[in-house]
Amino acid sequence: EVQLLESGGGLVQPGGSLRLSCAASGFTFSIYAMSWVRQAPGRGLEWVSGISSSGGSTYYADSVKGRFTISRDNSKNTVYLQMNSLRTEDTAVYYCAKGRGSSSREFDYWGQGTLVTVSS
Amino acid sequence: DIQMTQSPSTLSASVGDRVTITCRASQSIDSWLAWYQQKPGKAPKLLIHDVSSLESGVPSRFSGSGSVTEFTLTISSLQPDDFATYYCQQYNTFSTFGQGTKVEIK
Repeated sequence: EVQLLESGGGLVQPGGSLRLSCAASGFTFSIYAMSWVRQAPGRGLEWVSGISSSGGSTYYADSVKGRFTISRDNSKNTVYLQMNSLRTEDTAVYYCAKGRGSSSREFDYWGQGTLVTVSS
Repeated sequence: DIQMTQSPSTLSASVGDRVTITCRASQSIDSWLAWYQQKPGKAPKLLIHDVSSLESGVPSRFSGSGSVTEFTLTISSLQPDDFATYYCQQYNTFSTFGQGTKVEIK
């Protein structure tokens, strides 16, 4: 059974940093792309960042480019999202999502989400 | 950036109704389009990828069609479990979601 378990969310002040983690199990992690998708309270879905299966290619939404960094450790079956210079508009539930292929950005499995709140 | 526009934003329907949701892209996305269903407090669920390919386990009452910039999701006979919010997503260039269509009980 595919499982994606996010962690690392919480309350942070504007300008602060957080690192989200997503531990994967139930599939061969190293051959699938992974992404982070967020959803602000009461709002729609926003793709944030993606990484290819090898980690050699990374992609970012304009809204987070230069502030967020995605990475993965295929030996630990984990994908990360380092979030710096956080803004109030980054407040959202952050979902980890598995791509259907090695560079895919359509997602067949999602985690349960972790809430990030940016507030003073 | 590619923008995705869904219509309607809200749809009121009854069990058994045929429901159609439209998604328009601001430029051509070939066949790189997916549809998701989301229920309150839950993660999205992939229904359809590559415009019309039904994900494993998804009921056949769901179907997708379209090309280039205009796409539709159709539910042939709405069931009680289908009341939810639906999102389209393009993955031709990075990724963009539509703003969502809430299907509610009439």
